[in-house]
Amino acid sequence: DAGVIQSPRHEVTEMGQEVTLRCKPISGHDYLFWYRQTMMRGLELLIYFNNNVPIDDSGMPEDRFSAKMPNASFSTLKIQPSEPRDSAVYFCASSFFGVGETQYFGPGTRLLVL
Amino acid sequence: KQEVTQIPAALSVPEGENLVLNCSFTDSAIYNLQWFRQDPGKGLTSLLLIQSSQREQTSGRLNASLDKSSGRSTLYIAASQPGDSATYLCAVDEYGNKLVFGAGTILRVKS
Repeated sequence: DAGVIQSPRHEVTEMGQEVTLRCKPISGHDYLFWYRQTMMRGLELLIYFNNNVPIDDSGMPEDRFSAKMPNASFSTLKIQPSEPRDSAVYFCASSFFGVGETQYFGPGTRLLVL
Repeated sequence: KQEVTQIPAALSVPEGENLVLNCSFTDSAIYNLQWFRQDPGKGLTSLLLIQSSQREQTSGRLNASLDKSSGRSTLYIAASQPGDSATYLCAVDEYGNKLVFGAGTILRVKS
């Protein structure tokens, strides 16, 4: 398996623009997680899905952030409108059994909002 | 609110040395604890997972211990190698809800 795939790997955009991050989990994994990593706050869970259904979105910082999982092999994290403080590395991870079990991380998307 | 602290923040050792990384957490009611490795510009790789009922886990040169009552875990790396250079993160899982991560220890092993 190719592992968790994220795209794009790098994104530079201007404040106010819409940003869409994409993730393809490992085939057969039924849990998918979105994390954000910054120097100030470290690694934080934003939202996770089980069988394509959002289970816990308490980490989503504001209404500007939204996430969807239309099918078992694809998820998006959207920021609209983007702000400079959204600059971070966004990771997607997936697991077979669920939260607390081994999670497999993607390489991340490095987002810079100017 | 669960808080996870890792000490030291950075560590530099010569090749071949045995070393210990520390992780502490404020709420002992955890489901499990995990150690991850992060290489620069890469995602996280799971190293060891210790269930709350376990005391330690071993994988190759790595050994992780868990003392839930005192809120502490250690990651022991034997005979360190330059390839071990990375950031090591510990994370606690609160009742299967979500992982809370520490800030990490940046390890550099000098050849």
